Amino acid sequence: NAGVMQNPRHLVRRRGQEARLRCSPMKGHSHVYWYRQLPEEGLKFMVYLQKENIIDESGMPKERFSAEFPKEGPSILRIQQVVRGDSAAYFCASSPDSNTEAFFGQGTRLTVV
Amino acid sequence: AQTVTQSQPEMSVQEAETVTLSCTYDTSESDYYLFWYKQPPSRQMILVIRQEAYKQQNATENRFSVNFQKAAKSFSLKISDSQLGDAAMYFCAYRSHNNAGNMLTFGGGTRLMVKP
Repeated sequence: NAGVMQNPRHLVRRRGQEARLRCSPMKGHSHVYWYRQLPEEGLKFMVYLQKENIIDESGMPKERFSAEFPKEGPSILRIQQVVRGDSAAYFCASSPDSNTEAFFGQGTRLTVV
Repeated sequence: AQTVTQSQPEMSVQEAETVTLSCTYDTSESDYYLFWYKQPPSRQMILVIRQEAYKQQNATENRFSVNFQKAAKSFSLKISDSQLGDAAMYFCAYRSHNNAGNMLTFGGGTRLMVKP
């Protein structure tokens, strides 16, 4: 059973471009969480999704950021018109239900130049 | 909203010695979970230990144990017989028992260095 897979591991984007981060949850897991880790800081919750539904997006910036978890395929975190302040590590975690501990992926490090 | 505070940005320990990492949190809830995560240079978040607030007994996992003081809202991690592989960032985290989903609130982290 493969763990939570995130790709790419590293992503470089120029200011104004779009960044698309992918997360494939563990087999059997239908709950996905996205977190952002700024340099030298702890992880901050962004959004919680179940298949085809956003359950909680209270940590997501109101503009330029969106997330989806379609019926088929990975969860996608999309950042439009990236700015230097978006440079961070983005982590995905998945769980089989809303109570069981979530497992983390290895993160995607986004660098905006 | 809950907050988690780790007041030690960096800690250092001699190999084979014991070190304690501090964590305090603020909440109005009575039922919740607390965690310690390890983040080595690979960036992988590894669950070290977990504590349910309703349990009075402190959790233990091999060389890792916690000192959970509910009234003081304190949750420290003790690492015994420190090994070089313990060097990493350590994050304390809180999870509400009431909310749907298991979103975590993290502290700012403590960087642990282990001297040979």
